[in-house]
Order: sequence, then C-alpha cells, then structure tokens
Amino acid sequence: QVQLVQSGAEVKKPGSSVKVSCKASGGTFSTYTISWVRQAPGQGLEWMGRIIPILRIANYAQKFQGRVTITADKSTSTAYMEVSSLRSEDTAVYYCARESGYHKNDYWGQGTLVTVSS
Amino acid sequence: DIQMTQSPSSLSASVGDRVTISCRASQSISSYLNWYQHKPGKAPKLLIYAASSLQSGVPSRFSGSGSGTDFTLTISSLQPEDFATYYCQQSYSSFPVTFGQGTRLEIK
Repeated sequence: QVQLVQSGAEVKKPGSSVKVSCKASGGTFSTYTISWVRQAPGQGLEWMGRIIPILRIANYAQKFQGRVTITADKSTSTAYMEVSSLRSEDTAVYYCARESGYHKNDYWGQGTLVTVSS
Repeated sequence: DIQMTQSPSSLSASVGDRVTISCRASQSISSYLNWYQHKPGKAPKLLIYAASSLQSGVPSRFSGSGSGTDFTLTISSLQPEDFATYYCQQSYSSFPVTFGQGTRLEIK
C-alpha cells in the first residue's frame, strides 16, 4: 500500500521560501511520478507541477515556472517542493500525490498548510 | 491550457437522491477525465479515472460517463458521507493537467 507523508505546517514571511517534503512508502519510489497540487482558502484544486524521480525530470505549470522547484531524493524516497518569493496569495494547503496511468492521482499526502503572513 | 467547466457550482440534495454533476472540456480530451471527492481537512480522493473506470475501493453508487468534451459523474443514491466537493480533472494534456472549479454538494 502506497503511503505519502508530508511535512508539517509552516508560517512564513512574505519574500521568504518554503520547502515541503513528501515521503513515500510502499511500491517503488523511483518509478513513481509525484505531482504537487495546492488549494488556497476558498479556492479549488490547482496543479503546480510534477517530477519523475527515475528521470530526474520536473515540469511545472506556467504560472509557477521560475518560482517553484520540485526535486526528489531516491535514497530517502522523498519528494520536495520549494516555493520562493512567497506572497500572501501562496497561503494554501499543498498536497503531493502519486500520478499513475492516465495521469490520475491515486494516492495523496495528508496536505501541508503554508501560511504567508507578515 | 485545456479549460474544464463544471456545472452546477453547488447543489443541494437529500440522502437517497440521484445526483449528476457535469464537466465540459474546452477541447476534446478523449476519455482522459478523472473525478475526485474532496472533504474539508482531508486529501482529495480519486473516484473515477479514464471517464468511467471505478477506482478500487470506491462504492458502486459512483459512476462516470462521457467522452470527447462532455462528461458526467453520477451518484445513484446519496449517502451522508457523500456530501463533499467534487472535481473533474483532464489528463489528456499532461502538461498541465487541469481541474474544474469544483461542485459543492450540500445537504438539503
């Protein structure tokens, strides 16, 4: 059974950065694709990007290109998502999810609340 | 990017009702359409993938249909635990995948 466990809630100042982790267990991490999705307060789900650990390839939604970096450490079966130059609009719950056939997200982390406030 | 539009945005229904939620894509996406259920404080849950395939462990009262640009999620007999927000997601264009704006299903 695949399980994704994310790091805890963060409070950050505008202009700073945050790095959220997503540790996987079950299955073979290097063969996964890990997606990152966020939900701002009162808003819907928003796809941010993905990484294919075995290929070390990440791609990003255009909105986040240049400000979001997704990485993975195969040795610890952990994916990371870093957002830089934080602003209040980045306050959201951030989810990691495994992406499998049909690019469906079949397993999700529990979510990490990132609050950006001065 | 492919735009996904759900209707209605919100819906009130009673336990036992049959409910239908629609999702329209801005261009043909074949059957690359997934449905998720999302409850407050919980992670989204995959219900349906490839337009009509039921994810393992999901009750059979959930079903999906459609292809091309028009899709439907049907709950045949609402249960108390089904009150949540539902999202469609297109995965035809994997870069980026895009979600509908959500349909909030509330108790009447």
